[in-house]
Amino acid sequence: GAVVSQHPSRVICKSGTSVKIECRSLDFQATTMFWYRQFPKQSLMLMATSNEGSKATYEQGVEKDKFLINHASLTLSTLTVTSAHPEDSSFYICSAGEEAFFGQGTRLTVV
Amino acid sequence: DAKTTQPTSMDCAEGRAANLPCNHSTISGNEYVYWYRQIHSQGPQYIIHGLKNNETNEMASLIITEDRKSSTLILPHATLRDTAVYYCIVRVAGIYNQGGKLIFGQGTELSVKP
Repeated sequence: GAVVSQHPSRVICKSGTSVKIECRSLDFQATTMFWYRQFPKQSLMLMATSNEGSKATYEQGVEKDKFLINHASLTLSTLTVTSAHPEDSSFYICSAGEEAFFGQGTRLTVV
Repeated sequence: DAKTTQPTSMDCAEGRAANLPCNHSTISGNEYVYWYRQIHSQGPQYIIHGLKNNETNEMASLIITEDRKSSTLILPHATLRDTAVYYCIVRVAGIYNQGGKLIFGQGTELSVKP
């Protein structure tokens, strides 16, 4: 099946700093990608839809100024968590493709 | 909100078939049934999807009732590596419209035991 790759797989950052997570479609082009967040023992929650060449569409309750999404090419979307705080610690996952192939996820820990 | 209802957890003996039910009584005519699974600390993995006919691939079979209000995912010979959370999701095909996005419910935690 199609491959979606996320980087980094794990990141630890200090409170107040920003962290960028990359999502790449390796063998297909993706004009649309999706970003999810998952807290321990909970299901995936859709954060936003990333659209190549245009603004992302955010789900209700997700702060667009805190979670910056850039989809500058047909194979790359990035999620930047700005001014991270401990409550932003979570598992962030992206998906792309018609059947929604998922990346391996990024474990963010803010200390 | 998720449009599906699944049991919270299920057990299955290794080597036996695992049958995971899903209710989607409000499914629309243009919505497909998708199944994914998530092994601990990994991204979800696509398993199978269907509209109204039964489907089979190398991983599983999907049985959809004639009225399309429920479905069953069948893992024919469960192994310990099939232990995961299984998600049943209904969505329209085509990710380029808002209906195409995936909304996850709580899923079924399947434990395959030796």
